Amino acid sequence: DTEVTQTPKHLVMGMTNKKSLKCEQHMGHRAMYWYKQKAKKPPELMFVYSYEKLSINESVPSRFSPECPNSSLLNLHLHALQPEDSALYLCASSQDMAKANYGYTFGSGTRLTVV
Amino acid sequence: AQSVTQPDIHITVSEGASLELRCNYSYGATPYLFWYVQSPGQGLQLLLKYFSGDTLVQGIKGFEAEFKRSQSSFNLRKPSVHWSDAAEYFCAVGDTNAGKSTFGDGTTLTVKP
Repeated sequence: DTEVTQTPKHLVMGMTNKKSLKCEQHMGHRAMYWYKQKAKKPPELMFVYSYEKLSINESVPSRFSPECPNSSLLNLHLHALQPEDSALYLCASSQDMAKANYGYTFGSGTRLTVV
Repeated sequence: AQSVTQPDIHITVSEGASLELRCNYSYGATPYLFWYVQSPGQGLQLLLKYFSGDTLVQGIKGFEAEFKRSQSSFNLRKPSVHWSDAAEYFCAVGDTNAGKSTFGDGTTLTVKP
């Protein structure tokens, strides 16, 4: 299995809602990432988990809350989002955070719309 | 700090023509360099990577890239473009110390029939 699976593919939520994005990989990768991507822009790093521990938080607002329940799963909990948070949210994994030369495997993303 | 520049925002080529997408990087040590492709509404797919050895690297889908240290460049090439190659292309540099990659702003490739 060489895939990163993200669910749901599309999500529309109100500004008072609570929702979660899910990401799963079974490649034995020990680093997992959340990226946010706006239209016609490169991905922006949000969080990095290494060996199930949060290693990098790129000063992301607290309305985004990541969670890594085990080495295969990564969640992003959303609460009280703003319309400007509408974007494509990408999950990625790599063999090891310290081995940047391996590159990333990306999921196909969750298209989030905040209304 | 590391950075990546993709000078061309948008490139249009005819199907069957050759392609070269430019990428320049700034990094203090030996860089780890990548090219990714993103089709509309999809995630990014790794095309190829360089971190040592032969400076001409082969990737998937018939792409190749050449690392030129003297020019701080890592340009992506394909000898004959197919309509299915139309997509967004991102160059990235990996920083082992920081544990993350920095992406360029991307180049949009349009393929004319």
